[in-house]
Amino acid sequence: DAGVIQSPRHEVTEMGQEVTLRCKPISGHDYLFWYRQTMMRGLELLIYFNNNVPIDDSGMPEDRFSAKMPNASFSTLKIQPSEPRDSAVYFCASSQPGQANTEAFFGQGTRLTVV
Amino acid sequence: AQSVTQLDSQVPVFEEAPVELRCNYSSSVSVYLFWYVQYPNQGLQLLLKYLSGSTLVESINGFEAEFNKSQTSFHLRKPSVHISDTAEYFCAVSPWNTGNQFYFGTGTSLTVIP
Repeated sequence: DAGVIQSPRHEVTEMGQEVTLRCKPISGHDYLFWYRQTMMRGLELLIYFNNNVPIDDSGMPEDRFSAKMPNASFSTLKIQPSEPRDSAVYFCASSQPGQANTEAFFGQGTRLTVV
Repeated sequence: AQSVTQLDSQVPVFEEAPVELRCNYSSSVSVYLFWYVQYPNQGLQLLLKYLSGSTLVESINGFEAEFNKSQTSFHLRKPSVHISDTAEYFCAVSPWNTGNQFYFGTGTSLTVIP
């Protein structure tokens, strides 16, 4: 398996624009997590899904952020409108059934810069 | 609630010297414990984990960590580091039965000096 695949790897956008980050989890994994990494706050869990259903979105910073998982092989994280403080590295991770809290596999991340 | 504290944000060490990266945690429930490594411009990779059994766990590249329940610690050690060990190291915990997420420390940047 190619692992968790995220796109794009880098994104530069202007403040106010919509940004969509994409993630393809490892086949067969039924948990999918979105994390944000910043120097100030480290790694923060934004939201996670189980079997395509959002389970906990308490980490989503505000209504400008939304995430979807239309099927088992694809998820998006959307920011609309984007702001400079959203600049960070966004990671997607997935876990096997029954192992969400024993191992997570991470993608290489999307580095978002909002100018 | 869970929290993870990595006391050292940066650790410089000479090649072939030993190193210890410290990790302490706080949790109201039992947890699993992990160390992840992040190489530059890469995602996080699992280095080692403690789920149960022997409190000393090892990775394939010479790192080891020991779970100390009384001190709520999970320090990472290596007796002799290589240049290739230069990376960011994250300690994390995950509750046994009350959720399906990881709580990460703020990371320790290990720099191996030739």
